[in-house]
Amino acid sequence: GAVVSQHPSRVICKSGTSVKIECRSLDFQATTMFWYRQFPKQSLMLMATSNEGSKATYEQGVEKDKFLINHASLTLSTLTVTSAHPEDSSFYICSARSVHTPYEQYFGPGTRLTVT
Amino acid sequence: GDSVTQMEGPVTLSEEAFLTINCTYTATGYPSLFWYVQYPGEGLQLLLKATKADDKGSNKGFEATYRKETTSFHLEKGSVQVSDSAVYFCALSERAGTALIFGKGTTLSVSS
Repeated sequence: GAVVSQHPSRVICKSGTSVKIECRSLDFQATTMFWYRQFPKQSLMLMATSNEGSKATYEQGVEKDKFLINHASLTLSTLTVTSAHPEDSSFYICSARSVHTPYEQYFGPGTRLTVT
Repeated sequence: GDSVTQMEGPVTLSEEAFLTINCTYTATGYPSLFWYVQYPGEGLQLLLKATKADDKGSNKGFEATYRKETTSFHLEKGSVQVSDSAVYFCALSERAGTALIFGKGTTLSVSS
C-alpha cells in the first residue's frame, strides 16, 4: 500500500531556532501534499496545501513566513518552522495524494515538535 | 463553509459491546466521507470511505453508510475488541484532491 514517512518523529529545539520536517511518499508519486497541525486531544487543522513545483497555499491564519513549505519533488515535501517559539510545540502531520487515487490521502506518522 | 461534527468522547465500552459513533456534516456539494483511526502513538489510517449517497463503507467489522437525507455518516461495529481502542475521526473531502475537513475526534476505550 501507499506509505508516507516523516522525519524526524520527535524533535526538541530551543526557542529561536529553526526546525525542518520532511515528508516522503515512499512508493508513489505525490502530486499534492498537505500539512496539518494537531493539538492535544483536538482535531487536525489544515495548515497548507503544497503542489509539486509550485508555491504552497496557506490556510487563513497560518504565517507563511514562519512555516516554510517546499515541495521540490514528487516524493518529498518539507516544512520548516522558523524562529520557533514554545507555542509552536505541536504534532505536525503530513499527508500525500496520489494522482491515481484522488479521493484518498495517505498520512505520515507525524512529528512531535517541542520548543523549549 | 463545510464542517464535520462528531459525538464527543470519550466512549468507554466493554469488549463485545455494540459501537456507534455519530457523525454529521455540512457541505454545499456532494462530498466524499471518511473515517480515520489513530492508534496511540501512530499516524492516521483510513478505516473506510464512501464517495456517494447510500454507499456503505466497511472494513475490519466497522461500517458506515452515507446518508444524504440526514447528512450523516455514523460509524458502527457490532462487537468491539480491546484492540479497537483508538481515536476515530470523521472527515469529508469536497471533491477529489482537496484537503480533508476533520471532526474533533472521538476517543474509544474498550476494556476486557
